[in-house]
Amino acid sequence: GQNIDQPTEMTATEGAIVQINCTYQTSGFNGLFWYQQHAGEAPTFLSYNVLDGLEEKGRFSSFLSRSKGYSYLLLKELQMKDSASYLCAVRDSNYQLIWGAGTKLIIKP
Amino acid sequence: DAGITQSPRHKVTETGTPVTLRCHQTENHRYMYWYRQDPGHGLRLIHYSYGVKDTDKGEVSDGYSVSRSKTEDFLLTLESATSSQTSVYFCAISESREPGELFFGEGSRLTVL
Repeated sequence: GQNIDQPTEMTATEGAIVQINCTYQTSGFNGLFWYQQHAGEAPTFLSYNVLDGLEEKGRFSSFLSRSKGYSYLLLKELQMKDSASYLCAVRDSNYQLIWGAGTKLIIKP
Repeated sequence: DAGITQSPRHKVTETGTPVTLRCHQTENHRYMYWYRQDPGHGLRLIHYSYGVKDTDKGEVSDGYSVSRSKTEDFLLTLESATSSQTSVYFCAISESREPGELFFGEGSRLTVL
C-alpha cells in the first residue's frame, strides 16, 4: 500500500531551527509537496520538490532524496506564527496526491 | 490568493438527509478536487474533476457524488448523509497536472447527527 509517515507532534523554541521529516512509500513518484495549515484554516502551499536536493525559500527549505523515500522541511528563525500543522504529500504515478496525517508544530517562547 | 470559495461554511444536518456543498472558483483552473479531513488522517480525496462534465472517483467516494456543469463550479452531494460523513470538507483547484500545486478553499464543516 501507499504510505506517508511524519511525526505527529513536535515542539520547538522561538528563534530556533526545526526539521520535520517525511518518509514515503508510494506507487511511483511525481513530486513531493509541503503545505502549512493553521488550526481551523485551509492548507497553504509551501514547497515542491521533484529532483533530489535542497530547495530554499526564505526561512523555509525542503529537501528530497528519492532513493531513500525521504524529505524534510527545515524552518529557521522560528516565529510564533509558525505554530501550525505541516502536511507532506507525494504525487504518485497516477498523479494522485497521497497525504501524510500532518505534523503539529508547537512553538514556545 | 486563489479565488476559491466554499458554501456553506458550516452545516448541521440529520442522518438520511441530502446535503450539497458548493465550490466556486474565479481562476479558470481546469482541475478541481473535493477532500475530507479527519483527525489522525491525511487529506483524503473524494472526487476530482479535470474539466466540465469530466469527473472521477477518489479513494473515499462511496456515498458521495459530484457534478461540474461549469468550469467555475464543482458540487459535492451526499445523497443520504450518515454520521461517518461528519468531517471538514475542502475544495481545491490546480491550474495544471504538473507541478500542480493545489489552492484550497476555506473548508466546510459538516456535522451529521
